[in-house]
Amino acid sequence: DTGVSQNPRHKITKRGQNVTFRCDPISEHNRLYWYRQTLGQGPEFLTYFQNEAQLEKSRLLSDRFSAERPKGSFSTLEIQRTEQGDSAMYLCASSYTRADTEAFFGQGTRLTVV
Amino acid sequence: GDSVTQMEGPVTLSEEAFLTINCTYTATGYPSLFWYVQYPGEGLQLLLKATKADDKGSNKGFEATYRKETTSFHLEKGSVQVSDSAVYFCALLAHNTDKLIFGTGTRLQVFP
Repeated sequence: DTGVSQNPRHKITKRGQNVTFRCDPISEHNRLYWYRQTLGQGPEFLTYFQNEAQLEKSRLLSDRFSAERPKGSFSTLEIQRTEQGDSAMYLCASSYTRADTEAFFGQGTRLTVV
Repeated sequence: GDSVTQMEGPVTLSEEAFLTINCTYTATGYPSLFWYVQYPGEGLQLLLKATKADDKGSNKGFEATYRKETTSFHLEKGSVQVSDSAVYFCALLAHNTDKLIFGTGTRLQVFP
């Protein structure tokens, strides 16, 4: 297994466009997390899945954001009508049942909204 | 709400110097505590963790002790190497939640 994979690594988009990111977790992990990290800050929790069920969403996740994990494997994070404030690194992590069993992070997708 | 505060960086040291990166937390109950490291161009990696008071996490020469009385989890290493240059994040996992809460990160730069 090559770890958590995120695509694309970089995305530049114009304000108002929609973007979608993909995360492929470690195959046997049933938990999948999305975090957002802005420059000089630590990662902030966005949402997480237990298998295909989305169990928690942060208040940071406005209605322009949606995440899915349709078959309990890979996940997608879509941002509609992007704004400049959405520019950040979007991180995906996976783990066994709980994050304290160790969450493995991908390298992230860097989004720049121009 | 729960939060993590860590010292601002960058921390600049010469090789073989002693390292301390301070981390304090605010949380209800008894959270689990973590240090994650991010090397240039790589994703976050778990460095060490402690799940209850007075536990000491250790890995790769780094240590941190869970101090409930001071709500701290300071990261230490006796002799740093150039290869330790990275950003270090302190994090907590509250007992009634499944989301990690991170500090802002501390950049460590080690020079030969």
